[in-house]
Amino acid sequence: QKEVEQNSGPLSVPEGAIASLNCTYSDRGSQSFFWYRQYSGKSPELIMFIYSNGDKEDGRFTAQLNKASQYVSLLIRDSQPSDSATYLCAVERGGGNKLTFGTGTQLKVEL
Amino acid sequence: EPEVTQTPSHQVTQMGQEVILRCVPISNHLYFYWYRQILGQKVEFLVSFYNNEISEKSEIFDDQFSVERPDGSNFTLKIRSTKLEDSAMYFCAIRGGVPGNTIYFGEGSWLTVV
Repeated sequence: QKEVEQNSGPLSVPEGAIASLNCTYSDRGSQSFFWYRQYSGKSPELIMFIYSNGDKEDGRFTAQLNKASQYVSLLIRDSQPSDSATYLCAVERGGGNKLTFGTGTQLKVEL
Repeated sequence: EPEVTQTPSHQVTQMGQEVILRCVPISNHLYFYWYRQILGQKVEFLVSFYNNEISEKSEIFDDQFSVERPDGSNFTLKIRSTKLEDSAMYFCAIRGGVPGNTIYFGEGSWLTVV
């Protein structure tokens, strides 16, 4: 079983729609959860982090965490063409520890 | 967002040669990391460095790899004898203080071994 699993996509959504990206993880000791955005040939850029069960909103982005189900998601509202990128889910066991990444989901926002 | 500068941005090297990748964080940090990403694959952890010593390393980080912080500012990754499979993007990362004590990545160094 992969440590962090994501659907590779591509996920295509029309401009203005809600994009929903999902991630599951296997390590129940994971405490911190991150979403990074990566454009082709560029480095990962932090979008959101979440530590507690429930929802966390930041602008057009909402991260959702369900530790019992070992599930993390990212919602992007009012999707824009500039949101087209690969979205990486990453988990961490505790402070100072490494991040374990999923393979990423490619999002395409179409005009 | 903390800034991390990496050099070189791209390096082409012959198989068997030594390569040094450099990372310069703009401000003082305690935690440093190296990750790599082979083209089309996921980002993989190599090593973490805390308080001037290795705190954790992955199976990838074998004897051909080493890290050091020679002058208190630069953080380097050395690959002693490069192999074709070392071709990848190498990311330096630091752990920032606020908000969330999260990990921020440098722009990356693209290494091509021929």
